[in-house]
Amino acid sequence: QSVLTQPPSVSGAPGQRVTISCTGSSSNIGAGYDVHWYQQLPGTAPKLLIYGNSNRPSGVPDRFSGSKSGTSASLAITGLQAEDEADYYCQSYDSSLSGHYVFGTGTKVTVL
Amino acid sequence: QITLKESGPTLVKPTQTLTLTCTFSGFSLSTSGVGVGWIRQPPGKALEWLALIYWDDDKRYSPSLKSRLTITKDTSKNQVVLTMTNMDPVDTATYYCAHLLVGATTDYFDYWGQGTLVTVSS
Repeated sequence: QSVLTQPPSVSGAPGQRVTISCTGSSSNIGAGYDVHWYQQLPGTAPKLLIYGNSNRPSGVPDRFSGSKSGTSASLAITGLQAEDEADYYCQSYDSSLSGHYVFGTGTKVTVL
Repeated sequence: QITLKESGPTLVKPTQTLTLTCTFSGFSLSTSGVGVGWIRQPPGKALEWLALIYWDDDKRYSPSLKSRLTITKDTSKNQVVLTMTNMDPVDTATYYCAHLLVGATTDYFDYWGQGTLVTVSS
């Protein structure tokens, strides 16, 4: 029961910029909890892509960037590459019901 | 180097109890500010967070599955165990365990296991 809503799919040509939204509510993103992003390549486990709204772990290319505003967050991929074709998930913490973690509904990025 | 690996049955029957073990290395679950969580993913579907245990033995559960889940840790063995009762075919999924870093407003999963596929069928 995801409480973070993402578009099911986005697509772009190589080199283009795409963005993925993650919409939450006043008990998670809007409450000040950070948003994190994960990339899941086909057949593999998720990998941390962005943490703390906009920070990249070591080794993540700088064409990936994140932002947060109000009850939403966004992931941007600039200079889209074929290897970026994957599923992307946002994640945050929700303070309702004794507190729990939540993932987004997931977005499939297709490189045309 | 942090690694995690899930283990358990690949096939369970409806109504049975599933027990999964996450064996990890490269960190201690007695260290302040860390946790281990379980996340699952039905085939072709999104990630779903299930449960988490913190270094201080505090626990959190998915509100929708709380009545069926139990998470425990064995710090000496570097293991975290998840049990899920009354399994149903809709619980068929790949189950992941992951290392959590805890902050003031920023808890995130920075290392993941490879996942284990559990099928529920008679």
